[in-house]
Amino acid sequence: AQSVSQHNHHVILSEAASLELGCNYSYGGTVNLFWYVQYPGQHLQLLLKYFSGDPLVKGIKGFEAEFIKSKFSFNLRKPSVQWSDTAEYFCAVNAGYGGSQGNLIFGKGTKLSVKP
Amino acid sequence: NAGVTQTPKFQVLKTGQSMTLQCAQDMNHNSMYWYRQDPGMGLRLIYYSASEGTTDKGEVPNGYNVSRLNKREFSLRLESAAPSQTSVYFCASSVGLAPVETQYFGPGTRLLVL
Repeated sequence: AQSVSQHNHHVILSEAASLELGCNYSYGGTVNLFWYVQYPGQHLQLLLKYFSGDPLVKGIKGFEAEFIKSKFSFNLRKPSVQWSDTAEYFCAVNAGYGGSQGNLIFGKGTKLSVKP
Repeated sequence: NAGVTQTPKFQVLKTGQSMTLQCAQDMNHNSMYWYRQDPGMGLRLIYYSASEGTTDKGEVPNGYNVSRLNKREFSLRLESAAPSQTSVYFCASSVGLAPVETQYFGPGTRLLVL
C-alpha cells in the first residue's frame, strides 16, 4: 500500500530562516506529488504539484520542491520564511492509474511556526 | 465563484444520532471527495465520486454513506454517530478523476460526537 511520511511533526523557525520539510513516499511506479498548506482556520490550498518533467517545481509564495526519484522524496523548501508562513503543510501522493484513481494519500502533516 | 462550500460549519451530536453533511461546488467539476482530518493523522479519504451517479469507498468508509445528488452536490451521512467520528470533515472536488487533477477543498465541517 502507498504511504507518505513527513518526518517533522512541528518545526519552529525564526523569520528569514530557511525551511526544508521532508516528505518520503512508498511506491515504486509513476507518482504525482503534491504539497498542500492549511493556514490557521482555513481550508487546504495547493502549494505546488509535480506530475512530470523538471524535478524542481516552483509553487506559490516562494515555495519550491524537488522530486528525487531515487530517494522517493519530495521535500518542500523556502529560502526565507515569513511569519505569514505559519501553517500546517501536507505532502500527498497519487500513484498511477490503477485502483482508486482519485485517491490522494496524505502525510500526517508538519506544523510550521514562524517566530517574528 | 464560491468554489467548494460545506454546511454546517460546526455540529455537536449525541452518540447514535444521525446527520448529513452537505457539500456543493460551482466549478463544474466531475469528481468529488469526502475526507476526515484527525490530529496527527493527516487527511484520510472516506468516499469519492468519480462522476455523477457513481460513488466508491476510500480508506475509511465504515460508518458513513454518501449520495451524489447531482453534479454539484455530494453529501456525507452518518447514520448512527459514534465518538470515534469526532473529526473535521473536508469535501473536495476536481475536474476529473485522474491522478493529475488538482483537488480543491472546502472550508470543513467540525463535528463533535458526545
